[in-house]
Amino acid sequence: AQSVAQPEDQVNVAEGNPLTVKCTYSVSGNPYLFWYVQYPNRGLQFLLKYITGDNLVKGSYGFEAEFNKSQTSFHLKKPSALVSDSALYFCAVRDRRRQTGANNLFFGTGTRLTVIP
Amino acid sequence: DGGITQSPKYLFRKEGQNVTLSCEQNLNHDAMYWYRQDPGQGLRLIYYSQIVNDFQKGDIAEGYSVSREKKESFPLTVTSAQKNPTAFYLCASSIAGAGGFYEQYFGPGTRLTVT
Repeated sequence: AQSVAQPEDQVNVAEGNPLTVKCTYSVSGNPYLFWYVQYPNRGLQFLLKYITGDNLVKGSYGFEAEFNKSQTSFHLKKPSALVSDSALYFCAVRDRRRQTGANNLFFGTGTRLTVIP
Repeated sequence: DGGITQSPKYLFRKEGQNVTLSCEQNLNHDAMYWYRQDPGQGLRLIYYSQIVNDFQKGDIAEGYSVSREKKESFPLTVTSAQKNPTAFYLCASSIAGAGGFYEQYFGPGTRLTVT
């Protein structure tokens, strides 16, 4: 079985403060983990992914994520939030339920980030 | 959203009518996907295709159909059998490969409203 959980529906942070959007996962085998961002009425944009290697992954727009195997977490972080970071953020894990070779993803339910000026 | 186009952006239909959503990509990706997004539920996989002339059902395929006659195109038909068709539909594509670690690239979405 596999799952990915985003425990917070909403996160508010003041502009300039560090932000964290949480994600925990449950998979069999090695996890392939992804973060995406969605602006209103738009498609999803890829931010970063963890496949193997360093536990701290750097991505687009100054975002980074920390893979923690013991806590089965992959939290998204940014040192200093911008108002323009306000959006819906999705964590995803490779979906291993289907045929080998498929790059299917299983998505969390999303976390809405609001950065307050 | 670059490289994947979906049309139209907004679509309105009467209940009982079939409707086809367009998805085209110029990224030379073999794999394409259709998702449905509803508030508070994240993205749910409808259908996916790893190669031309082949496609597989996702988690919520009932009431939907697809075709993959060209590498660039993966249209989705929402049939009258789909009980709750009003939603935001997203198309995506990716490199296909055994590794399973390629990210997906998304189109801008089509918001379908059925009344």
